[in-house]
Amino acid sequence: SAVISQKPSRDICQRGTSLTIQCQVDSQVTMMFWYRQQPGQSLTLIATANQGSEATYESGFVIDKFPISRPNLTFSTLTVSNMSPEDSSIYLCSVTEGVYNEQFFGPGTRLTVL
Amino acid sequence: GQQVMQIPQYQHVQEGEDFTTYCNSSTTLSNIQWYKQRPGGHPVFLIQLVKSGEVKKQKRLTFQFGEAKKNSSLHITATQTTDVGTYFCAGNAGNMLTFGGGTRLMVKP
Repeated sequence: SAVISQKPSRDICQRGTSLTIQCQVDSQVTMMFWYRQQPGQSLTLIATANQGSEATYESGFVIDKFPISRPNLTFSTLTVSNMSPEDSSIYLCSVTEGVYNEQFFGPGTRLTVL
Repeated sequence: GQQVMQIPQYQHVQEGEDFTTYCNSSTTLSNIQWYKQRPGGHPVFLIQLVKSGEVKKQKRLTFQFGEAKKNSSLHITATQTTDVGTYFCAGNAGNMLTFGGGTRLMVKP
């Protein structure tokens, strides 16, 4: 199974600033996904990142707020822009792999916005 | 859009008691996946069900997929403290995976 790392693991940021989260996979994958999980809540898909093309955003998420890069088949970044306390959440990247195309998740980035 | 509901939201059980979480989709699913998230951890894939009426077992865990492929359940027999965590179903329809709200299981030793 894919091994996924994320940086940073956690951060505390000031309102109005931006944070870029990195996701590294130990194998080449076609699609990478970015999820948000607010405290005690379920996982909400932000966008799907394909290498060589623009990310596909889900309803309620826009590129200006969550720009994504996918420079190669093992790496992606998600930026949370112009942060507000409502952006406080855990951000997870994931890939699909395996017989069932199941999701493998990174350890997550816990973001707190003051 | 597709919605996946899960009940209950929380469940406290005494160690040794059974536990069941139920998942219902607003649309017919091609398959359903189950994940477990330990406190402070990330979701980990448990199993996928594909066929109508399918039942799969993993030790004390029994997973069922409804005949209409719109609902599913996870049953844990004789819970242990290691079962603590949040269990999510995720329904797959039209290449879109939608997570349920999760059921948080707490086990009293």
